Amino acid sequence: QKEVEQDPGPLSVPEGAIVSLNCTYSNSAFQYFMWYRQYSRKGPELLMYTYSGGNKEDGRFTAQVDKSSKYISLFIRDSQPSDSATYLCAMFRAGSARQLTFGSGTQLTVLP
Amino acid sequence: DVKVTQSSRYLVKRTGEKVFLECVQDMDHENMFWYRQDPGLGLRLIYFSYDVKMKEKGDIPEGYSVSREKKERFSLILESASTNQTSMYLCASSLGPRGNQPQHFGDGTRLSIL
Repeated sequence: QKEVEQDPGPLSVPEGAIVSLNCTYSNSAFQYFMWYRQYSRKGPELLMYTYSGGNKEDGRFTAQVDKSSKYISLFIRDSQPSDSATYLCAMFRAGSARQLTFGSGTQLTVLP
Repeated sequence: DVKVTQSSRYLVKRTGEKVFLECVQDMDHENMFWYRQDPGLGLRLIYFSYDVKMKEKGDIPEGYSVSREKKERFSLILESASTNQTSMYLCASSLGPRGNQPQHFGDGTRLSIL
């Protein structure tokens, strides 16, 4: 069993929809959680970075961590065609920032 | 903003060649990383470095070596390229020797070995 599980999709939504992307993990030592966005033929771009539990909001994006359920989510409000990309979750233990564990990525398409 | 620059976006080489992939970061980060990304396998760590002239093996170091002579530059070397090393190669950097800062990625080098 992988340490981090992420539904690969693909996921297609109409423009303006609320998108929910999720990852589950098995290692309770993970404390730092990230979401990366990767456009086709580009490198991953850091989108959200959170510590431990709770929510973090940045514009149309909200990252949520539920440590009791070992579940993290990324919500995209008012989705745009420019949000079409692969979204990767990643996480690491305290003091082990060198060693990220990645999800496999969810491919999202927002249809105009 | 952090800038991680990989010298080539696309590269085509022949089997048996020695291949150099270069990466430069401009934010004085201590840690630098090389990954490869393949469909269905995700990102896999090849090597990382936490200081000049220091290196540690990642999950798939076989067939690769690295060099870090200066803090800002981290090179990946394919000693004798093989077709199974055709892949997207990603360089990343992060701040702090034992800190809790995220990694920042370059745009990748798509390498084809013929």
